[in-house]
Amino acid sequence: AQKVTQAQTEISVVEKEDVTLDCVYETRDTTYYLFWYKQPPSGELVFLIRRNSFDEQNEISGRYSWNFQKSTSSFNFTITASQVVDSAVYFCALSEAVNTGTASKLTFGTGTRLQVTL
Amino acid sequence: DTGVSQDPRHKITKRGQNVTFRCDPISEHNRLYWYRQTLGQGPEFLTYFQNEAQLEKSRLLSDRFSAERPKGSFSTLEIQRTEQGDSAMYLCASSLRGENTEAFFGQGTRLTVV
Repeated sequence: AQKVTQAQTEISVVEKEDVTLDCVYETRDTTYYLFWYKQPPSGELVFLIRRNSFDEQNEISGRYSWNFQKSTSSFNFTITASQVVDSAVYFCALSEAVNTGTASKLTFGTGTRLQVTL
Repeated sequence: DTGVSQDPRHKITKRGQNVTFRCDPISEHNRLYWYRQTLGQGPEFLTYFQNEAQLEKSRLLSDRFSAERPKGSFSTLEIQRTEQGDSAMYLCASSLRGENTEAFFGQGTRLTVV
């Protein structure tokens, strides 16, 4: 069975601080996909990034960066120079690759609530 | 608006009543998913469709829940004989079938059973 663990329930930082959100996953599949979603107070889940299990390259997008390490089954998310607008709940999710190797249903972690204050 | 649309946004119902939610996916997306999210938790998978075929249902989905996607476009999720434990946010998402696709979510329908 698949499982995603986000051990940090809530993190509070002051604006401009860097913050890392942890994600640890479990799966027996050799091919899988990892995702991060942001859920602001409005409630809509916003896609941030997808990573394939065979691509361990780290990725940077503006102030966001992701560190994928298969050896530790982790897919951590770092926000550099945090801003108040980053305040939201962040979810890590895992999808198995079914049949033809396509992504399918998502297994989510319980989320990390990030509060950025001035 | 070309995103995933859900209707209604909020629904309050009495225990024992039936409710139906609608989801309109992004038009070219052939996969449609339903999830349920309770307070402080991540979304939990309920069911998904590829075109009009329902390919998988979660064990969470009791026989009081039924979902349809009759023409491979919009989908409905019906809950019969609602219980207080059904109170949650019901999220719909859609995606393209393929390797490098991600699911886009609607704003959800918040159900309150009183």
